[in-house]
Amino acid sequence: EVQLLESGGGLVQLGGSLRLSCVASGFSFRNYGMNWVRQAPGKGLEWVAGISDTGGSAFYADSVKGRFTISRDNFKNTLYLQINSLRAGDTAFYYCGKDLLGAVPYLDSWGQGTLVTVSS
Amino acid sequence: AIQLTQSPSSLSASVGDKVTITCRASQGIYSALAWYQQRPGKPPKLLIYDVSTLERGVPSRFSGSGSGTDFTLTISGLQPEDFATYYCQQFTDFLLSFGGGTKVEIK
Repeated sequence: EVQLLESGGGLVQLGGSLRLSCVASGFSFRNYGMNWVRQAPGKGLEWVAGISDTGGSAFYADSVKGRFTISRDNFKNTLYLQINSLRAGDTAFYYCGKDLLGAVPYLDSWGQGTLVTVSS
Repeated sequence: AIQLTQSPSSLSASVGDKVTITCRASQGIYSALAWYQQRPGKPPKLLIYDVSTLERGVPSRFSGSGSGTDFTLTISGLQPEDFATYYCQQFTDFLLSFGGGTKVEIK
């Protein structure tokens, strides 16, 4: 069974930094692209970043480019999201999601999410 | 970036009804479109990908259609567990985007 477990969220001050983690199990992590999607409380879904199976390619939404960095460790089966210069608008649940196929970004498995709250 | 516009943003329906949700892309996206269902407090669940391919385990009352810029999700015979929010999603050049969502509520 595919499992994705996010961690690292919490209450952070405006302008601060945070690193989110997503530990994967139940599938061959190194063979799949992965993504981060966020959802502000009561709002819709927003894709923020994706990374290829090897980690050699990373992609970002315009809204986070330059502040967010996605990375992965295929030996630890772990996906990361480094968030810098936090803004109030970054307050959201952050989900990691697995590509349906190796490099086809439909997300067939999701974690339960980790909440990031930015305070002033 | 390609924008996806869903309509309606919400609807009320009864068990057994046929429901149709529309997703319009700001430019042509070929067949790179998926639909997700999200129940309150839960992560999204993939229902349909490549416009019309049903994900494993998804009931056949869900169907998808469309091409180019206009796509639809149809639920034929709404069930109690289908009351949720539905999102479309596209990818182009490895950049993803989601529609704003359609909340399906009980009439």
